[in-house]
Amino acid sequence: GAGVSQSPRYKVAKRGQDVALRCDPISGHVSLFWYQQALGQGPEFLTYFQNEAQLDKSGLPSDRFFAERPEGSVSTLKIQRTQQEDSAVYLCASSRGQNQPQHFGDGTRLSIL
Amino acid sequence: GENVEQHPSTLSVQEGDSAVIKCTYSDSASNYFPWYKQELGKGPQLIIDIRSNVGEKKDQRIAVTLNKTAKHFSLHITETQPEDSAVYFCAASKGSARQLTFGSGTQLTVLP
Repeated sequence: GAGVSQSPRYKVAKRGQDVALRCDPISGHVSLFWYQQALGQGPEFLTYFQNEAQLDKSGLPSDRFFAERPEGSVSTLKIQRTQQEDSAVYLCASSRGQNQPQHFGDGTRLSIL
Repeated sequence: GENVEQHPSTLSVQEGDSAVIKCTYSDSASNYFPWYKQELGKGPQLIIDIRSNVGEKKDQRIAVTLNKTAKHFSLHITETQPEDSAVYFCAASKGSARQLTFGSGTQLTVLP
């Protein structure tokens, strides 16, 4: 399909482990966003890229969270030394650019034991 | 920062009736207001959006209205069908390519 693809769909990790979540945006979309969605809540903004530049990381909850998009296409969200409160669905969205809507992937459900 | 409040949190309607979901926002600089539908285990799906230079927008059974003065916007679904059952989120931002601030969601159930 031509939508935003996220992998893995489910990830279980033990507290203290590092995890990496991948996002493949829609081809040609220059803007890419990461959101965190807790159970029963709306998504909350984490960080935003335009091409390979990370223009806004104000939503990252701590320095354990790190995102990159080195070639302006695929992005990886990394969480180091995971904690139980990191359990959530991590959503990626992409947009063609200015004044274009954001389209979401189906997310990665992260469970920290 | 922006704050978006959404109500009701749950809404049940009979098939064929209309459903209305309301949101208010706090930042007068916000100018883009999308609505997303989220089904269980799926990501949010954009169903309609409106920009601040427009007061109303319609797409078949779905319409959105915006009152900039009062800083609120609403989603209207007419002739509801069971497949409309899902969680609906409103959001606001200062442009569609900027971070979205979401409401807390409305669980809509359409009873056959």
